[in-house]
Amino acid sequence: QVQLQESGPGLVKPSETLSLTCTVSGGSVSSGSYYWSWIRQPPGKGLEWIGYIYYSGSTDYNPSLKSRVTISVDTSKNQFSLKLSSVTAADTAVYFCARDVIVQGNSMDVWGQGTTVTVSS
Amino acid sequence: QSVLTQPPSVSGAPGQRVTISCTGSRSNIGAGYDVHWYQQLPGTAPKLLIHGNNNRPSGVPDRFSGSKSGTSASLAITGLQAEDEADYYCQSYDNNLKVFGTGTKVTVL
Repeated sequence: QVQLQESGPGLVKPSETLSLTCTVSGGSVSSGSYYWSWIRQPPGKGLEWIGYIYYSGSTDYNPSLKSRVTISVDTSKNQFSLKLSSVTAADTAVYFCARDVIVQGNSMDVWGQGTTVTVSS
Repeated sequence: QSVLTQPPSVSGAPGQRVTISCTGSRSNIGAGYDVHWYQQLPGTAPKLLIHGNNNRPSGVPDRFSGSKSGTSASLAITGLQAEDEADYYCQSYDNNLKVFGTGTKVTVL
């Protein structure tokens, strides 16, 4: 059974870079059947898709965040990562990683438990 | 502001049927993109409930069903149960951008 686990600092200072990693267990990030996504949810608000990556390194990002976002994949560690630069309080959110099933219209069938990131000095 | 609009809340008594609408436009649902639905219980990660408009993943009760027509989609819950109290989100694409609906809180009376 595939499981995803987010990790990274829970507190980031304004203007700095948020860095999170998602570790995949029970499956392979190198599978050609999936994309690997990052999604976030500000406190009390809805879900926002940040972007995703394919095992080859191909990416797609939400245009509203594209200038600040980098998603990368490390197949040797079975992980993929998120970097969000120049953060502000508006980036405070629970960050989820998820698996997109390509043949199911890129629906996200496995999610990490989420990690809370607070942007504050 | 999401391009997929859902009612903020719906409610029903145990055993009743409730529906949640997801209203889009010709650039998203109306363009032929699939609609997926997620259930988010309080304090937990979303769970895939319906994929490809009307397909239930293994383990999802058949009380949940999805449909799509034109520029809208719907999620129906029949035989409402207390454990169905949660937030529900539709998700599709808009000009190749993955987008979520505004979310609906289902309350079991």
